[in-house]
Amino acid sequence: AQSVTQLGSHVSVSEGALVLLRCNYSSSVPPYLFWYVQYPNQGLQLLLKYTTGATLVKGINGFEAEFKKSETSFHLTKPSAHMSDAAEYFCAVSDGGYQKVTFGTGTKLQVIP
Amino acid sequence: DGGITQSPKYLFRKEGQNVTLSCEQNLNHDAMYWYRQDPGQGLRLIYYSQIVNDFQKGDIAEGYSVSREKKESFPLTVTSAQKNPTAFYLCASSTFPSGPLDTQYFGPGTRLTVL
Repeated sequence: AQSVTQLGSHVSVSEGALVLLRCNYSSSVPPYLFWYVQYPNQGLQLLLKYTTGATLVKGINGFEAEFKKSETSFHLTKPSAHMSDAAEYFCAVSDGGYQKVTFGTGTKLQVIP
Repeated sequence: DGGITQSPKYLFRKEGQNVTLSCEQNLNHDAMYWYRQDPGQGLRLIYYSQIVNDFQKGDIAEGYSVSREKKESFPLTVTSAQKNPTAFYLCASSTFPSGPLDTQYFGPGTRLTVL
């Protein structure tokens, strides 16, 4: 069985500050990891994904995430927050079985001007 | 433009009524999915379909039904047997059988409210 834990249901940062959203996973096989963003009353949009290879993954809108196997983590970062980054972010894991993806409970990011 | 459409965006239902949510995609994807989203609970898989005329139960299928008669369409029916249907429903699609290396693309969602 696979699972995802997102630490912090709400995170607030000042505009221009570092964004750090935490994600830890469990998986019995090498995982595939995803970060999605959701704006209010909209669907989810893929930010980035890790499958194999380089552990530092760069995504859209200046976000990146690092896969750390020893820590079972896939934290999402952005050096400088922008007001448009305010949204809910979901971490997800797949164990490779027919697109069965397990989502975390989400972290709402607030950006303070 | 290719994408996934869901209709309606907002839906109101009286208790005891069945209601059908529409999901259409023109991405030529084989696989389609239905998720339910509740505040603080993330997304939970209701049903998924890998090919036409075939579908599988997800984690919370009770009180829901689906059909997959066409590749482009995967409607979800919320039946009166669903105890707490008020939620935000998301449809997604992906290519198949490419496995987890592929990405699920999401529609804009339908917000269902039971009155």
